Amino acid sequence: DAGVIQSPRHEVTEMGQEVTLRCKPISGHNSLFWYRQTMMRGLELLIYFNNNVPIDDSGMPEDRFSAKMPNASFSTLKIQPSEPRDSAVYFCASSQEQGAQSEAFFGQGTRLTVV
Amino acid sequence: GENVEQHPSTLSVQEGDSAVIKCTYSDSASNYFPWYKQELGKGPQLIIDIRSNVGEKKDQRIAVTLNKTAKHFSLHITETQPEDSAVYFCAVNSGNTPLVFGKGTRLSVIA
Repeated sequence: DAGVIQSPRHEVTEMGQEVTLRCKPISGHNSLFWYRQTMMRGLELLIYFNNNVPIDDSGMPEDRFSAKMPNASFSTLKIQPSEPRDSAVYFCASSQEQGAQSEAFFGQGTRLTVV
Repeated sequence: GENVEQHPSTLSVQEGDSAVIKCTYSDSASNYFPWYKQELGKGPQLIIDIRSNVGEKKDQRIAVTLNKTAKHFSLHITETQPEDSAVYFCAVNSGNTPLVFGKGTRLSVIA
């Protein structure tokens, strides 16, 4: 397996534009997580899915953020409209089971810059 | 919810010396304690983990110790090498909750 695949690797966009980040989890993994990484806050959990169902989105900072998982092999994180303070590295991770002492495998991340 | 504190935030050591990174947590029900290494431009990758029924685990040059009473655990890297330079994250979870990460430690190994 190629691991967790994220696209794009880098995204530069203007304030107010819509941004969509994409993730393909490892085949067979039941849980998917979206994290945001900044120098100030470290790795923050935004939302996670179990068997394609959103379980907890309390980490989503604002209504401008939304995430979907239409099937077991694809998830998106959308920011609309984007703001400069959204600039960060966004990671997608997947694991075989939710929590339950299961290793989380991370993608390479998407570096988002909002100007 | 769970609160994880990690120290130090940066650490510089001479090649060949040991490095120790410490984390404390708040939820006494937590039972899984992994450590992740993040190299530049990459996502975090698991390097070692420990479960609550074990006090220490070792894998070649890295080891993790756990003190459940005091609610802290540590990563030990011996005989450090330049390729150990990276950001290290501790994490904690209990039951079916997702991992909660510390803020990371930037380790620099000076040749």
